[in-house]
Amino acid sequence: GNSVTQMEGPVTLSEEAFLTINCTYTATGYPSLFWYVQYPGEGLQLLLKATKADDKGSNKGFEATYRKETTSFHLEKGSVQVSDSAVYFCALFPPDTGNQFYFGTGTSLTVIP
Amino acid sequence: SQTIHQWPATLVQPVGSPLSLECTVEGTSNPNLYWYRQAAGRGLQLLFYSVGIGQISSEVPQNLSASRPQDRQFILSSKKLLLSDSGFYLCAWSGQGSRNQPQHFGDGTRLSIL
Repeated sequence: GNSVTQMEGPVTLSEEAFLTINCTYTATGYPSLFWYVQYPGEGLQLLLKATKADDKGSNKGFEATYRKETTSFHLEKGSVQVSDSAVYFCALFPPDTGNQFYFGTGTSLTVIP
Repeated sequence: SQTIHQWPATLVQPVGSPLSLECTVEGTSNPNLYWYRQAAGRGLQLLFYSVGIGQISSEVPQNLSASRPQDRQFILSSKKLLLSDSGFYLCAWSGQGSRNQPQHFGDGTRLSIL
C-alpha cells in the first residue's frame, strides 16, 4: 500500500541552524511528492513538490530531492528563521489509482532566537 | 485564481447537537474535494473525499457524513456530536486529470465539543 513516514518531532533549533526533516515513503511506481507547512491555527500550505525521480523541489529556501533509490524526500533548509516555526507534513499522491493523498504525521519545528 | 473558503472558523457545540460545516471552492470546476480531521498535536485523518456531485467516499466509520450538493460545495455534517469529534477540520481541493497537482487547503474550522 501507500504510506508516508516522517521523523518524530518536535524539533527545536536555534536561528540560522541547518534543518533536515526526514521523509520516506512506500508506493508502487512513481508517486508525486509534496511538502506542506502549517502555521499555528491555519490550514496547510503547499511548500514544494517533486513529480519524478531526481526532481528537486524548492521554495523559500527549503529544498527536497525525490530519491527513488532510497524512497525518500527529505526536507532541508540551510539557515532557519524564527518565522519557520510550524508543523511540516510530507505527502504523496500515488501514480496508479484513486484520488487520495497520503500524509505523514507531521513534524513540529520550533526555531528559537 | 482559485480560492477555497471554509466556515465557520471556530465553533463550540454541546454533545449531542447537530453539525454542519461548509466548504466552497471558486475559480475551478469539477474539483476533487476532501474533508480531513486533525486532532490536537496529531496528523491528518482523511474523513471523506468526493470526485463529483453526489459521489462521496468515506475513509473511516464514524458518526459524521458528507454531502456534495453542488460541484464546488462540500458539507460535513453530524446528527449528534460526540466529545471525540473535537478537532481541527480541514477542507481541501485538488484538480482532476493530472497527478502532479497538489491539494489546496482551507483555513480550517476549530470545533470544540462541550
